[in-house]
Amino acid sequence: DGGITQSPKYLFRKEGQNVTLSCEQNLNHDAMYWYRQDPGQGLRLIYYSQIVNDFQKGDIAEGYSVSREKKESFPLTVTSAQKNPTAFYLCASSIHGANLNTEAFFGQGTRLTVV
Amino acid sequence: AQSVTQLGSHVSVSEGALVLLRCNYSSSVPPYLFWYVQYPNQGLQLLLKYTSAATLVKGINGFEAEFKKSETSFHLTKPSAHMSDAAEYFCAVFTYKYIFGTGTRLKVLA
Repeated sequence: DGGITQSPKYLFRKEGQNVTLSCEQNLNHDAMYWYRQDPGQGLRLIYYSQIVNDFQKGDIAEGYSVSREKKESFPLTVTSAQKNPTAFYLCASSIHGANLNTEAFFGQGTRLTVV
Repeated sequence: AQSVTQLGSHVSVSEGALVLLRCNYSSSVPPYLFWYVQYPNQGLQLLLKYTSAATLVKGINGFEAEFKKSETSFHLTKPSAHMSDAAEYFCAVFTYKYIFGTGTRLKVLA
């Protein structure tokens, strides 16, 4: 079955540690996105990538880093510079290109907690 | 810049009653609009999307939305609420990235 897989589902991080969240898709989509979700704030865009080997900062990129070395993979690293990383993280992908009227497909999310 | 505003962070309806979730958009060009649903601790699932082929869009689970350019709105409705509709709903607009509203949590009362 095609889809987006995020792992792990739950992740605990100690203060000062970097952690990497995995996102893999087998939908052959060009574009991928990382969102952070906090109660009452909706989804806020961290980074997005429209094509392999290229990515752009979203609205809240500070303290995060990404790479897009393969079309199917878009890992997100939460660095120690992110002062409040406890949140629910969602990865999404879309086929895009010339057709702008296509929806994003979402993974099941990773809940990150700082301990 | 394009954006969406969802009015009402929490909405409660009785089972069997009409569901109305509001979304207004801001766009200088024809918008690409979407409604998503999220159940607890899960990702988002597409309910419907505006394609410009019709102003009334039908989606899954009996939901529909009407695009009104004059009101810059894309409100989500369902004639009769079911307990299983309890979830959080997000309106979104696409430019070169998806921009989401802050969400509306729907509670269905027995």
